Amino acid sequence: AQSVAQPEDQVNVAEGNPLTVKCTYSVSGNPYLFWYVQYPNRGLQFLLKYITGDNLVKGSYGFEAEFNKSQTSFHLKKPSALVSDSALYFCAVRDMDMDSNYQLIWGAGTKLIIKP
Amino acid sequence: EPEVTQTPSHQVTQMGQEVILRCVPISNHLYFYWYRQILGQKVEFLVSFYNNEISEKSEIFDDQFSVERPDGSNFTLKIRSTKLEDSAMYFCASSGFSSYNEQFFGPGTRLTVL
Repeated sequence: AQSVAQPEDQVNVAEGNPLTVKCTYSVSGNPYLFWYVQYPNRGLQFLLKYITGDNLVKGSYGFEAEFNKSQTSFHLKKPSALVSDSALYFCAVRDMDMDSNYQLIWGAGTKLIIKP
Repeated sequence: EPEVTQTPSHQVTQMGQEVILRCVPISNHLYFYWYRQILGQKVEFLVSFYNNEISEKSEIFDDQFSVERPDGSNFTLKIRSTKLEDSAMYFCASSGFSSYNEQFFGPGTRLTVL
């Protein structure tokens, strides 16, 4: 069965420090991975995706994520956190080998708090 | 920048009533989706729609739910007889020329069933 795990409910980081939000996944085929961000009272905004190619993908707002096939992980990173990065972050996966499978499977979300 | 819009932002209804949630996807997108998020829980897939038909649906999407693209711009989710457990945030999403394109989400409709 497909699943996504975000092991941390909340991550606290001081402004200017690097941040990591963890995500691991389980699919039977090749994964198609996403990160989305949700600000209070707003919809889900696309940050970045991995389909194939370079394991390090760069996205919006200075975020990047590293695909690690052996560890089935897709952790979100940023070298220097901003207070405005405080939000709820969701990891999602789709099984690329299932042509009829359009749905995204979501993690539970990680609340990122950046302290000044 | 084009965006997905949803109306209303908040809908309150009595149990057993029908509700229609409306979405306007990004204009040149071909794939449309509904998801829901019960407060404090994960985002859950409901249904995907392509070429004027449902392409995939989850177990949640039972006979009480239906979707329609009535006029080439709107994409609606109808719940025929709402239950208390239908209370959730409902998100509409669309993606472009391929189902492998990223999905763009609307701001959501908060449905409260009393």
